[in-house]
Amino acid sequence: EPEVTQTPSHQVTQMGQEVILRCVPISNHLYFYWYRQILGQKVEFLVSFYNNEISEKSEIFDDQFSVERPDGSNFTLKIRSTKLEDSAMYFCASSPTRNEQFFGPGTRLTVL
Amino acid sequence: KNEVEQSPQNLTAQEGEFITINCSYSVGISALHWLQQHPGGGIVSLFMLSSGKKKHGRLIATINIQEKHSSLHITASHPRDSAVYICAVSGTGNQFYFGTGTSLTVIP
Repeated sequence: EPEVTQTPSHQVTQMGQEVILRCVPISNHLYFYWYRQILGQKVEFLVSFYNNEISEKSEIFDDQFSVERPDGSNFTLKIRSTKLEDSAMYFCASSPTRNEQFFGPGTRLTVL
Repeated sequence: KNEVEQSPQNLTAQEGEFITINCSYSVGISALHWLQQHPGGGIVSLFMLSSGKKKHGRLIATINIQEKHSSLHITASHPRDSAVYICAVSGTGNQFYFGTGTSLTVIP
């Protein structure tokens, strides 16, 4: 059964560094999402992406964040200058329709 | 502000018990989701519903659109059902709102 994959599973970085989190959605899916979950807290929506552009973004998704679908298969989340409070689990999801959600296993980001 | 509220936050049950988790939401939605998150962190979608009731094995999900309320029921609970159950709604745009989750522990 096809599944969403994410790399790396764990990323450790120094504060101020740029990180790129990668996701490979299920092929033929059209909608793509990034979420984050700070340890012990609820899952939070970051951004949705459809037709090669952002369709919705939350207040969390500020100028430090960007998303890209560089090659038709990967879907990336870039954090330009990481802060300590960016430490979280980041989940990617994809969907063939606007509402379904197929989640990836997540990338744990630790900012030191 | 919490667009999605869940109760209870924590729940401990004996194996075999019938379990109910409740979810209320305050925004207009296009669909409501019940998700399961295991200790390793992975999230699995259990149900997506916009009206009525859905059943999958021992799991049943219902939604009342007028009352903005949904319930997730687990019949004949088993220790392997122990997980965090999360209610989420997809808004009328393409944004999602999540509840804080219900941590379920089923004791043998």
